[in-house]
Amino acid sequence: QKEVEQDPGPLSVPEGAIVSLNCTYSNSAFQYFMWYRQYSRKGPELLMYTYSSGNKEDGRFTAQVDKSSKYISLFIRDSQPSDSATYLCAMSPGGSNYKLTFGKGTLLTVNP
Amino acid sequence: EAGVVQSPRYKIIEKKQPVAFWCNPISGHNTLYWYLQNLGQGPELLIRYENEEAVDDSQLPKDRFSAERLKGVDSTLKIQPAELGDSAVYLCASSATGNEQFFGPGTRLTVL
Repeated sequence: QKEVEQDPGPLSVPEGAIVSLNCTYSNSAFQYFMWYRQYSRKGPELLMYTYSSGNKEDGRFTAQVDKSSKYISLFIRDSQPSDSATYLCAMSPGGSNYKLTFGKGTLLTVNP
Repeated sequence: EAGVVQSPRYKIIEKKQPVAFWCNPISGHNTLYWYLQNLGQGPELLIRYENEEAVDDSQLPKDRFSAERLKGVDSTLKIQPAELGDSAVYLCASSATGNEQFFGPGTRLTVL
């Protein structure tokens, strides 16, 4: 079992839909949770960054962390064609250990 | 503020040839990372620098890979000799706080 599991999709939705992306993990030491967006042939771009459990909202994006279930989610409201990309979850133990462990990424297409 | 700069963006070489990648991090970021991203996978850490010191190189295949960050700013990753399986995207990232890592566009290496 990999430390971080992420459904690779692909996921295709119509414009305006609510998108839900998820990751599960097995390492209870993870304290910091991130979502990156990666466009084709580009580097990952940091979207959301959260510490421990709870919710964080930024515009159309909401990140949720449930440490008791070892489950994190990213919600995208009113999805746009420009949201079409691969979304990668990443996590780290923090402290002096900054090593990020990534999921495989979910390929999202938002159709106009 | 300029982002992480990497060059070249693309490199095609024949197997057994040497290759080098260059990275200039975001100004003021003391921590620099090199990641490897295979097709359809998330990035995997190769090496982490704190200033000029390599503090985590446990994932770097030292028989053929080497890295340096001589003045604690820009960094070079080298492969010698390259193998077919080294074809991938090599990403550089930097951070000021450790957990928020910002990525460059990557160098796409093809080994023939």
